[in-house]
Amino acid sequence: DQQVKQNSPSLSVQEGRISILNCDYTNSMFDYFLWYKKYPAEGPTFLISISSIKDKNEDGRFTVFLNKSAKHLSLHIVPSQPGDSAVYFCAASETGTASKLTFGTGTRLQVTL
Amino acid sequence: DAGVTQSPTHLIKTRGQHVTLRCSPISGHKSVSWYQQVLGQGPQFIFQYYEKEERGRGNFPDRFSARQFPNYSSELNVNALLLGDSALYLCASSTRGNSYNSPLHFGNGTRLTVT
Repeated sequence: DQQVKQNSPSLSVQEGRISILNCDYTNSMFDYFLWYKKYPAEGPTFLISISSIKDKNEDGRFTVFLNKSAKHLSLHIVPSQPGDSAVYFCAASETGTASKLTFGTGTRLQVTL
Repeated sequence: DAGVTQSPTHLIKTRGQHVTLRCSPISGHKSVSWYQQVLGQGPQFIFQYYEKEERGRGNFPDRFSARQFPNYSSELNVNALLLGDSALYLCASSTRGNSYNSPLHFGNGTRLTVT
């Protein structure tokens, strides 16, 4: 039972354009959501997070949007840069279990010149 | 500052053998979590330890065990290895056990291959 789903295995975007990565979840007990980026041969790197009391969180070029009614979140990267090319994982946790993350299967983003 | 360090980086074992994976958290981090990442999937939670006590366990068989030492480093042990245990094992640390203000910081993992 996949509680966190990333339905797009890959995405290609031109440099300078917006990248939008999507994530859906089914567990209504999730109240904390994170995005991680992973390069080959490295561990996941924390990007940005959002709690369920918010619907938007920004950090530089990265913005995460949360739509609780639709159980959907998205990561926007503006402008996209070649160094953003990586696998992006969406993750979620329930109250009081912030270290027990449930991950999606990842979306491979390629930013082309 | 050193990040989360894991050893070894790669390991090849035979079915039925035992393996021990090691993790040193970021200095000052008292919580360590272990995750298994199978090819093509996202990481899956195995254990969390905080202040040397187990605080969470994922849906893994009893062949998997872990412990945390007084210096907050941790070991993951897997007995009676199966081919399906082949995966990247990730260790993550955070300052506090389950705080939303302390996201997990991952190491680069140990790639385990069971033949």
